[in-house]
Amino acid sequence: GEDVEQSLFLSVREGDSSVINCTYTDSSSTYLYWYKQEPGAGLQLLTYIFSNMDMKQDQRLTVLLNKKDKHLSLRIADTQTGDSAIYFCAEKLGTALIFGKGTTLSVSS
Amino acid sequence: GAVVSQHPSWVICKSGTSVKIECRSLDFQATTMFWYRQFPKQSLMLMATSNEGSKATYEQGVEKDKFLINHASLTLSTLTVTSAHPEDSSFYICSAMGTSGIEQYFGPGTRLTVT
Repeated sequence: GEDVEQSLFLSVREGDSSVINCTYTDSSSTYLYWYKQEPGAGLQLLTYIFSNMDMKQDQRLTVLLNKKDKHLSLRIADTQTGDSAIYFCAEKLGTALIFGKGTTLSVSS
Repeated sequence: GAVVSQHPSWVICKSGTSVKIECRSLDFQATTMFWYRQFPKQSLMLMATSNEGSKATYEQGVEKDKFLINHASLTLSTLTVTSAHPEDSSFYICSAMGTSGIEQYFGPGTRLTVT
């Protein structure tokens, strides 16, 4: 497909793990990113992964990359209510970032 | 981490007037900045890429005479929405490329409402 695809919604309970999935478009993308956006705010860079890596872990965040399937995922361990936000994946093509439509994560206590 | 600011955070203007939005990288120099537009519950749409000291590169479908971009220094880029119309109402977000060329840091956004 032509677009970066993400599921629109994910609902989890506090303490559970969250997994947000993304399918990107171009196998030549050099870097892939995850951003978090809280209501009315800009985007916060959470993490990124180089295209020749399979996995990257940063505290509660784990990024998995399947380059063959052009699939990217973000796992948030021990999800907290403060993790409720919209999560965008993005691929880097040249200097520009191409974003998905975002996944709204809702965490209930 | 790197900080990008935008000013103003929100603005209301009348149809036909022009509005300038500033984007600053506070603790790093950014040779490349980007301007995005975001509609409610939608993704970010890249409008233009702004390089310090040169003309901006606009994405297809973005009117360069309507959305004027100036990147006069390594820490400041401005977006001027000229002759604004209600359909220009949106959330405008800038970002700045970090010195590594890998990270892109975003400003908090500017909510523009044209009445």
